[in-house]
Amino acid sequence: GENVEQHPSTLSVQEGDSAVIKCTYSDSASNYFPWYKQELGKRPQLIIDIRSNVGEKKDQRIAVTLNKTAKHFSLHITETQPEDSAVYFCAASMTGSARQLTFGSGTQLTVLP
Amino acid sequence: NAGVTQTPKFRVLKTGQSMTLLCAQDMNHEYMYWYRQDPGMGLRLIHYSVGEGTTAKGEVPDGYNVSRLKKQNFLLGLESAAPSQTSVYFCASRAEINEQYFGPGTRLTVT
Repeated sequence: GENVEQHPSTLSVQEGDSAVIKCTYSDSASNYFPWYKQELGKRPQLIIDIRSNVGEKKDQRIAVTLNKTAKHFSLHITETQPEDSAVYFCAASMTGSARQLTFGSGTQLTVLP
Repeated sequence: NAGVTQTPKFRVLKTGQSMTLLCAQDMNHEYMYWYRQDPGMGLRLIHYSVGEGTTAKGEVPDGYNVSRLKKQNFLLGLESAAPSQTSVYFCASRAEINEQYFGPGTRLTVT
């Protein structure tokens, strides 16, 4: 089955700096890569996703890049703000009727004021 | 539109007791999923369903059973709870597009 590794497990940045979180996946058949943000005690919420026919996608301060050859994808957050502090999860999914997601182990991002 | 809801929010069980967690969605989604979340391990898929009357095993199905008798509901059962099942349980649902919508979670402690 699919295996997703996520690094780093914790990340502290100064407010206004950029943050980068990286994930690698094992199954070359995976073609959908979402990123979820989870605040303390809350449910995971989708913040951005990318499909394998695209190399990069941007949404305001958030961007995701995908390298299919190397089987890795990354989340980039620019101009970080204290409200960006949360746990971020990457995931990978294959096509198929169920399209189950396999999640990385999460990154605790802390933005220091 | 409530989205995805879960009942109960919290529960404490003794070893060997049984319980059922209820997930309900009002978005007419075909696909529903049960995950467990443990510290440092992300979310792991327990069971899932691709439509009413169907269920399938995920990554960590042992000790759990599920049923999808109605399209809007997905039940997760623990027949004989064990301390290793102490976790936060999330339900999710999805339409044909890929985004999964999560419920608020159920915090279960087994003593």
